[in-house]
Amino acid sequence: AQKVTQAQTEISVVEKEDVTLDCVYETRDTTYYLFWYKQPPSGELVFLIRRNSFDEQNEISGRYSWNFQKSTSSFNFTITASQVVDSAVYFCALSESNRDDKIIFGKGTRLHILP
Amino acid sequence: NAGVMQNPRHLVRRRGQEARLRCSPMKGHSHVYWYRQLPEEGLKFMVYLQKENIIDESGMPKERFSAEFPKEGPSILRIQQVVRGDSAAYFCASSPNRVNTEAFFGQGTRLTVV
Repeated sequence: AQKVTQAQTEISVVEKEDVTLDCVYETRDTTYYLFWYKQPPSGELVFLIRRNSFDEQNEISGRYSWNFQKSTSSFNFTITASQVVDSAVYFCALSESNRDDKIIFGKGTRLHILP
Repeated sequence: NAGVMQNPRHLVRRRGQEARLRCSPMKGHSHVYWYRQLPEEGLKFMVYLQKENIIDESGMPKERFSAEFPKEGPSILRIQQVVRGDSAAYFCASSPNRVNTEAFFGQGTRLTVV
């Protein structure tokens, strides 16, 4: 069965600190996709990244970076030099290639960036 | 993702009334997915539709909930005889084909049942 676990329910850091959000997933498929979404206080869902299971290269986009490790079934997300605007709920999600009809979401990590 | 349009953004219904939530996918997208987010929870899949077809409704409650995606017009999620437990945010996502390519979400409809 597929499952996404975000063990950190809530994190608070002071602005400019780095912060890593953990994501562990379970799947029996060899081909799958992993996602991160941001949900700011306004409530919409902002797509951040999608990775397929064959691409283990780490990705960096500005202050955001993602570390995909198949050996530990993890897809962690790091924000460098955090800013108050990064305060949001962040969701990690999984989609299996042979079940192209749904994305399975973790319960989310609420991130507070304190000024 | 601003291209997926949901309306209304906020909907208040009394218990027993009907709620109709609309989702217009991004241009060129023929696949639509509905998800529900209960307070303090992640999103849960409800239903996947292509034009005029329900592909997977495994996440839909068996009663009172229905969804359609007609040939013309938006996708509609319909909740009959709403109860307090239906209060949630309902998100729609659209995709040009499989969800694994890209899935862009609308801004959601927040349903409050009073």
